[in-house]
Amino acid sequence: NAGVTQTPKFRVLKTGQSMTLLCAQDMNHEYMYWYRQDPGMGLRLIHYSVGEGTTAKGEVPDGYNVSRLKKQNFLLGLESAAPSQTSVYFCASSYPLDGFTDTQYFGPGTRLTVL
Amino acid sequence: GIQVEQSPPDLILQEGANSTLRCNFSDSVNNLQWFHQNPWGQLINLFYIPSGTKQNGRLSATTVATERYSLLYISSSQTTDSGVYFCAVEPGSSNTGKLIFGQGTTLQVKP
Repeated sequence: NAGVTQTPKFRVLKTGQSMTLLCAQDMNHEYMYWYRQDPGMGLRLIHYSVGEGTTAKGEVPDGYNVSRLKKQNFLLGLESAAPSQTSVYFCASSYPLDGFTDTQYFGPGTRLTVL
Repeated sequence: GIQVEQSPPDLILQEGANSTLRCNFSDSVNNLQWFHQNPWGQLINLFYIPSGTKQNGRLSATTVATERYSLLYISSSQTTDSGVYFCAVEPGSSNTGKLIFGQGTTLQVKP
């Protein structure tokens, strides 16, 4: 049981390049989330998904796209990277429980630098 | 939207000391979690505590939802407790688990 895994762990991009971050969970969780963490700050929600085939915007969605084609995977895409997207990206998952959401479990993070 | 404020922002302790971290939130919540982010950046779940009191070893947490605050107690602190402690809440108007994070409390435990 690996929990929540993220690929890659580190990446350096040039401005304008594109990339996809992969999040995978093996806990059969319905809900998945992408957050970003900037220095000295808490995490902010980018996009989330409440089930396979669904996605929705969070607090800071601009410049990102997501897809949830399979229940266990949640992909975060940057179409044209900008230096402002330099950050640490965390994926998380949780399970709805009796109308409420249960504990969120986080992946190890992906450190992205855009030059 | 809901505001989440943590205090103090920074805390330095000698090993063995006790501490209390506070999280205030501005509206009703469905979910409240405490996390520890270790020096390597990993986020570790400490408590899922939308209300009531829980204990896990040297750590305990209390959430008083009606008064909109939560407290995290660390007793007999150890150097491995160092890192950033985050409080995160799901607004009561949400049912999708979206968490709003506070700015964190940075704890340094000195040997």
